[in-house]
Amino acid sequence: RKEVEQDPGPFNVPEGATVAFNCTYSNSASQSFFWYRQDCRKEPKLLMSVYSSGNEDGRFTAQLNRASQYISLLIRDSKLSDSATYLCVVPPLFSGGYNKLIFGAGTRLAVHP
Amino acid sequence: EPEVTQTPSHQVTQMGQEVILRCVPISNHLYFYWYRQILGQKVEFLVSFYNNEISEKSEIFDDQFSVERPDGSNFTLKIRSTKLEDSAMYFCASSGWGTGDTDTQYFGPGTRLTVL
Repeated sequence: RKEVEQDPGPFNVPEGATVAFNCTYSNSASQSFFWYRQDCRKEPKLLMSVYSSGNEDGRFTAQLNRASQYISLLIRDSKLSDSATYLCVVPPLFSGGYNKLIFGAGTRLAVHP
Repeated sequence: EPEVTQTPSHQVTQMGQEVILRCVPISNHLYFYWYRQILGQKVEFLVSFYNNEISEKSEIFDDQFSVERPDGSNFTLKIRSTKLEDSAMYFCASSGWGTGDTDTQYFGPGTRLTVL
């Protein structure tokens, strides 16, 4: 099993649609989880952190299922500006202070008018 | 809003040449990282750095790579003898400690390295 595995893309959705991305991880010891967004040829930017069962920020909802080692990201009312690649990121273990990030390959979202 | 900066934005070099990629992390951060992303592939961890020494490095980070914090603000990645397969986007990141947001890493805009 890959360390971090994501839904293959691309997802092509119309404006206003609801879309969900899935991510599974292999290291059961991981304590923190992130969704980053990456625009073409740009740096990853933090979208959401997920520490407990889930997190909501406006149109974005992240959910965590530790038993299944599964994280999801739900985007409601998609905007054209949501078009990007969404990266699931799972540090192997919080060792205090620093932690390398393990990135999934990303899921590409294209929102069209 | 504080940000990580990187220079140059694009570096073109000949195979076998040395390159130094430069980063200025966010000023109150204590942990520094380099990642790379080969075109079309995922972001990969290279090295983390704390208290003037390497905390962890990946298999990619072999003897051709080194990192340094030469002064209080810069953090550099050196590739001694570049290979074609070193062509990638290199991202610097930093994170803080004791700020209540300890493990969020903030990325710089990247340096695109092209080895010919």
